[in-house]
Amino acid sequence: DQQVKQNSPSLSVQEGRISILNCDYTNSMFDYFLWYKKYPAEGPTFLISISSIKDKNEDGRFTVFLNKSAKHLSLHIVPSQPGDSAVYFCAATDTGNQFYFGTGTSLTVIP
Amino acid sequence: SQTIHQWPATLVQPVGSPLSLECTVEGTSNPNLYWYRQAAGRGLQLLFYSVGIGQISSEVPQNLSASRPQDRQFILSSKKLLLSDSGFYLCAWAGTTYEQYFGPGTRLTVT
Repeated sequence: DQQVKQNSPSLSVQEGRISILNCDYTNSMFDYFLWYKKYPAEGPTFLISISSIKDKNEDGRFTVFLNKSAKHLSLHIVPSQPGDSAVYFCAATDTGNQFYFGTGTSLTVIP
Repeated sequence: SQTIHQWPATLVQPVGSPLSLECTVEGTSNPNLYWYRQAAGRGLQLLFYSVGIGQISSEVPQNLSASRPQDRQFILSSKKLLLSDSGFYLCAWAGTTYEQYFGPGTRLTVT
């Protein structure tokens, strides 16, 4: 059972525009959410996170929004750059020991 | 600073052969350690996690096993590989925060 879902396998955006990556989860016990960025043949790298006590966290060009009632979070990248082209995974945890990852969204930023 | 090592980087093994993948972490003590697998076209699947020496939790029952003989060493093993074991294996560690830090990964092809 996939507890964290990324329903868009791919997304293409023009350079300079906003990229919005979405993630849905089913387990209401999740209390911490993370986004990772992954290049081919490399391990994912941590990007940004948010606690369930917040609804927004911003770090430079990256902002994560959390809607607990809808069990939905999104990652906004503004402005998008060609170097942002990668696969983005969202992840969630309730205990801090077990993490559940989505299937990823491949972002292509077109110059 | 903390670093995580995984080896080998690539591995081609015949069906029925044994497997041993090793992961070591430097620059931190008592980390939580994780093994993930990313199969072709799929997300990250948590296989095992460990909160301490000799403590292993399995998420997916299968022909793989894990061991943690030392605080900063995590080993993934199999006695007999299956074709379905092919994939990209990732080791990760987490400290006192929820962010996970991933190794470079091992590309395993079972033929």
